[in-house]
Amino acid sequence: TQLLEQSPQFLSIQEGENLTVYCNSSSVFSSLQWYRQEPGEGPVLLVTVVTGGEVKKLKRLTFQFGDARKDSSLHITAAQPGDTGLYLCAGAEAAGNKLTFGGGTRVLVKP
Amino acid sequence: ETGVTQSPTHLIKTRGQQVTLRCSSQSGHNTVSWYQQALGQGPQFIFQYYREEENGRGNFPPRFSGLQFPNYSSELNVNALELDDSALYLCASSRIQSTDTQYFGPGTRLTVL
Repeated sequence: TQLLEQSPQFLSIQEGENLTVYCNSSSVFSSLQWYRQEPGEGPVLLVTVVTGGEVKKLKRLTFQFGDARKDSSLHITAAQPGDTGLYLCAGAEAAGNKLTFGGGTRVLVKP
Repeated sequence: ETGVTQSPTHLIKTRGQQVTLRCSSQSGHNTVSWYQQALGQGPQFIFQYYREEENGRGNFPPRFSGLQFPNYSSELNVNALELDDSALYLCASSRIQSTDTQYFGPGTRLTVL
């Protein structure tokens, strides 16, 4: 059974600060996806990383996939209250197969 | 918006009852996956349907069953509801030939009393 562990589980910071969320596994994934979820809604895809060592930037968000494709990180620069939400990482074992989700990191950015 | 729709939005049932949840996939997508998300946790894979057949199943009992229709929409059926079945049920659509990207609907919140 492949497992994904996210850390920390909860993060509370002030507006303008930086934060990093980690997603780790002992297994290799063909790709890894990051989602953000608002209360009562479905997860919204932020990015998909496929290649080991890949770095993707989405405005103030930077995503990195580990060289061995077992871990990933999400870094937010100068966080804003609109970044508040549940951040989920999910790994795919093969094309079109199920996603294995981490437990999520709840981020609260206070104004 | 992802183009994936789910109904109903909310549902309240009692123990032992049966429930059917529905999902319409995004245009051009032929694969639907269902996930259960308990409060405060990440989603857990229930099963996936491709071309009207089950294409992978997670660690859920047989009382969780599904269907996919020729238009690629899907249903999730749960029999003999238990209190622990209370959760947000999410469906996600994708093209099985894609790089694994799945697009989620808004979910159905099921409460079992």
